[in-house]
Amino acid sequence: DTGVSQNPRHKITKRGQNVTFRCDPISEHNRLYWYRQTLGQGPEFLTYFQNEAQLEKSRLLSDRFSAERPKGSFSTLEIQRTEQGDSAMYLCASSLTGQGRNQPQHFGDGTRLSIL
Amino acid sequence: GQNIDQPTEMTATEGAIVQINCTYQTSGFNGLFWYQQHAGEAPTFLSYNVLDGLEEKGRFSSFLSRSKGYSYLLLKELQMKDSASYLCAVDTSGTYKYIFGTGTRLKVLA
Repeated sequence: DTGVSQNPRHKITKRGQNVTFRCDPISEHNRLYWYRQTLGQGPEFLTYFQNEAQLEKSRLLSDRFSAERPKGSFSTLEIQRTEQGDSAMYLCASSLTGQGRNQPQHFGDGTRLSIL
Repeated sequence: GQNIDQPTEMTATEGAIVQINCTYQTSGFNGLFWYQQHAGEAPTFLSYNVLDGLEEKGRFSSFLSRSKGYSYLLLKELQMKDSASYLCAVDTSGTYKYIFGTGTRLKVLA
């Protein structure tokens, strides 16, 4: 079990640029989640996938944000035309469903985005 | 609306016991989770409650009362490495997305 892997760990970019983050979940996990966390706050749900299907998107997710999970394995989160308010830690989590019990989500170390 | 409340900060002494409370008001309930998060690191799963009562895992225990919308995390025999933020999260809808509290920052003093 290699855990959830996120790349890059840190991203610094200028306002207006596009950025893309990658998440590799635990291999047998069918659910994948994206959260955003700012300093002193808990993670906020952004979106989640079951296999390759994106099942829910938060109202926090403006049309500048898009997420994909094309083959039901890794996922990417893209932010277009970044703004200062996008500066945050972006966390990915994965879980396994169908075990008859609510399985916990396992988190990656996150990608810290800083907008200059 | 959805609301999860935790104290912002707590301080305790090494070797002591500390209880971190979490109250929630959510439109649905499908389980409550506790996570530990060290600064700059991933949240790490600690415990899960879906039925009323106490769940014990080594030095950590978690309690749930669904009628009161209340949970607590109990940490025994505190160690310096327990200094971290503790996040309470509720699965509100059975879709397994979590609503998190703001977290409780615990400082363990020697």
